[in-house]
Amino acid sequence: DAGVIQSPRHEVTEMGQEVTLRCKPISGHNSLFWYRQTMMRGLELLIYFNNNVPIDDSGMPEDRFSAKMPNASFSTLKIQPSEPRDSAVYFCASSNSGINEQYFGPGTRLTVT
Amino acid sequence: GDSVTQMEGPVTLSEEAFLTINCTYTATGYPSLFWYVQYPGEGLQLLLKATKADDKGSNKGFEATYRKETTSFHLEKGSVQVSDSAVYFCALTSGGGADGLTFGKGTHLIIQP
Repeated sequence: DAGVIQSPRHEVTEMGQEVTLRCKPISGHNSLFWYRQTMMRGLELLIYFNNNVPIDDSGMPEDRFSAKMPNASFSTLKIQPSEPRDSAVYFCASSNSGINEQYFGPGTRLTVT
Repeated sequence: GDSVTQMEGPVTLSEEAFLTINCTYTATGYPSLFWYVQYPGEGLQLLLKATKADDKGSNKGFEATYRKETTSFHLEKGSVQVSDSAVYFCALTSGGGADGLTFGKGTHLIIQP
């Protein structure tokens, strides 16, 4: 099993640019989660999907952030326009809702200058 | 809302020392409890879990017992190794595998030879 796959692993962009982060969950998993990790705030849940449907997006910081899951094997997290305070490591995780364990990808380190 | 409190460290120990990392939680209902470990530059790996009161999770010599009466889930290991150096996160979910995790701030553990 390849595990959760995230791309890119590193992204450096200028303020105001659009950023798209990608995630491929583990095959067969029906829940997908996006988290953000910063030194100041630790790990925060941004949004999660069950069976491709967004369930709770209350952690999304503001309207500049959006997430989609067009099918069971792909999700995107988009920031438009990006700001320096968005600099963080973004993790994607997936689970099978019947097993109660989340498996994390390696993360995308985003730097906005 | 749910919350997790853990000692932030860094915690520095000598090899073969006994380890305890404290974790307490606040949650509605009956949460499932987890310890995750993050090695430098990597994503989070599930270390152990417990899903109901008095359950003991264990893995790789680490143990933690779900204590409902003290709302705690302390991580212990009898003899640590240099390779255990990492950041350890206590986490909970109140909704089973289909809900997001609430994390503590993480404890940075440093084991010296």
